Amino acid sequence: RKEVEQDPGPFNVPEGATVAFNCTYSNSASQSFFWYRQDCRKEPKLLMSVYSSGNEDGRFTAQLNRASQYISLLIRDSKLSDSATYLCVVNPEESQGNLIFGKGTKLSVKP
Amino acid sequence: DAEITQSPRHKITETGRQVTLACHQTWNHNNMFWYRQDLGHGLRLIHYSYGVQDTNKGEVSDGYSVSRSNTEDLPLTLESAASSQTSVYFCASSDQVAQETQYFGPGTRLLVL
Repeated sequence: RKEVEQDPGPFNVPEGATVAFNCTYSNSASQSFFWYRQDCRKEPKLLMSVYSSGNEDGRFTAQLNRASQYISLLIRDSKLSDSATYLCVVNPEESQGNLIFGKGTKLSVKP
Repeated sequence: DAEITQSPRHKITETGRQVTLACHQTWNHNNMFWYRQDLGHGLRLIHYSYGVQDTNKGEVSDGYSVSRSNTEDLPLTLESAASSQTSVYFCASSDQVAQETQYFGPGTRLLVL
C-alpha cells in the first residue's frame, strides 16, 4: 500500500464551485499533515497545515480524520487562480522533517 | 529576502557524463533535501542533509551523491548520467524549529540523451 494516496483528477469545476479533495495515508503513527500547492512547471509551496481539530484559512478548510487515516481539503467559491495541483503531505513520524508527498490532485477552475 | 536558488535551470547532457546540480539557500536552514519529480511518481526523495558534513540516502539515491561542506549549499551529483535520470529536480530546505515547512527552489529540468 502506498504511503500517501490521492485521486489524481483532474477535477474540472466552474468558478464559484465548492470542491473537495481527499487523501489517505498508511502509517498510523504519522505525526503531522499538510497541503502543498504546485502550479504548472513551478515548485511546491505550503498551502496549509492540517490539525485534528480542523483549520480554516479563508476559502480553504483542511480536516484530519486519524481514525480513518484520511485528510481532506475543501475549497469554497473557487477562483480561476486556484487552478493548480494540490499535494497531500505527511510527516510519518518524528523524522526531522522528512516529508512524504502524495502524487497530487489536479484542479482546473473554468470561467 | 532569503531565498533558495538552483542552477542550472535547464540542462541537456549525454549518457555517461557526470553532472552536478547546484542548490543554494540563504535561509540559514540546517535541513536540505533533493527530490526528483516524474509523471506518475510525484516527488521522491533522493538525498537529504541535517547539517554540515551530514548526508543521508533517500528513497531513490542510486546513481546520485551529495556533499554538505557549508550550511548554504547542497550540490547533487549524477555520477554517470542515465536516461532514467531525466526528470525535474527540486531542492528544498527547512529549519530545525519549523522542520515540516519546506521551501523549494524553482527546479532544474534535466534531459539525459
